[in-house]
Formats: sequence, C-alpha cells, structure tokens
Amino acid sequence: EADIYQTPRYLVIGTGKKITLECSQTMGHDKMYWYQQDPGMELHLIHYSYGVNSTEKGDLSSESTVSRIRTEHFPLTLESARPSHTSQYLCASSAQRGSGYGYTFGSGTRLTVV
Amino acid sequence: GQQLNQSPQSMFIQEGEDVSMNCTSSSIFNTWLWYKQDPGEGPVLLIALYKAGELTSNGRLTAQFGITRKDSFLNISASIPSDVGIYFCAGQLWSGGSNYKLTFGKGTLLTVNP
Repeated sequence: EADIYQTPRYLVIGTGKKITLECSQTMGHDKMYWYQQDPGMELHLIHYSYGVNSTEKGDLSSESTVSRIRTEHFPLTLESARPSHTSQYLCASSAQRGSGYGYTFGSGTRLTVV
Repeated sequence: GQQLNQSPQSMFIQEGEDVSMNCTSSSIFNTWLWYKQDPGEGPVLLIALYKAGELTSNGRLTAQFGITRKDSFLNISASIPSDVGIYFCAGQLWSGGSNYKLTFGKGTLLTVNP
C-alpha cells in the first residue's frame, strides 16, 4: 500500500503554463524530497525539506519551487513550463529520527511539455 | 560530495541465471540500501544494511555491506522475468541526527529474457 501519493501520474502541458505537482504522505515523516529522473535513469535531487517551513535546493539546479506549509504536503511548482522540463518527477519522504532510515518513494509524475 | 560508482550500468541475462551488481564509494557510509524501480513506478526498498560485514537476504536477493564501509553488492539468484527493472544502491552517512540525505548510484538496468 502506497503511503506517499503523487498526482497527477501523467501530465502533458503546453509551453508557458504554470503547473503544480502534488505530493502527500500519511506516515508523519518530517523529511521530504523531490527528484528528477531522466531517461538515463539517474536520480537528481532538486529540492528537499526537513520540516514545516523548511526548504532547500538540491544538488541539481532547477527552475521549480517548493513549499512546505503542512508536514504531509510538499508540492512542486513550475511557473512557466518549458520543453526542457520534460522528465519524471519523484517525491520521497523519510523519518526524522533513528539511524539508517531509507526513503519511501511515490509512483512519480511523468511530465511532458510540448 | 560523496559519489557512488554502480556497476554494471546494464545487464541482459537469461531467465534462471544469477545476477550480481555492486557499488563502491570514495568515502564511508553508515547504511547501505538497495532499491528496485519497476517501469513507470517509483523505487521500492529491497534491502537495508546497517553494519559493516552484514549479509542480508530477502528471498532470492542477497546483499552485503562491505567491511571497509565503502562498498556493497547485491546478488539475485535464479532470475525471473519480473526481476526486470532498474536497481539502485544508496548510501547514507548520518551523525547525531543531522543530514539524512541518501547518495544514490546511477542505477543498473536489468533485462531478463524468458
């Protein structure tokens, strides 16, 4: 059973449109992450959050922005979509305390900008 | 930053064959994790390793945490068609409750011919 949900699963949108990719988790995890995955498979961290009102940029520069107003919700927004934003976007979360906690991933959003 | 070298990048095998893949790092980790990503889905945790030298099995999967804490391998025995997917290793170095980010390998794409 998935405890982290991403919507939509697939999105085809025109250049210049504003879009928001939704990510919600029901596990009470403090830490949440956004990854961009290209056809080359590699996972690129673009944003992360360690709690409410905390957001940081990841290792790969991205024109997207994120917000964390509620623990369970970590949406990603593109103000003006471009074809270069076409990619698979994966959201993940992890527990705050304890050692060696892995990430739980959502099923992803496949974004195509035409 | 920390980097993981995962190999091989891809594998094409016959059903029934055993598979081996590994990750090496230039620095140590406290935790090694192995994930599998099915086509069109997010990665799912297969095995977590928490101690140097630890050998852990999950069905036909076996993984080991290297003694030097800089490497890990994953073996799949008697492969079946549903083993197809991308396998990711991930390392985590945590200290006193800070920095829970995972470092991911670039993935191994496994194809199993029936």
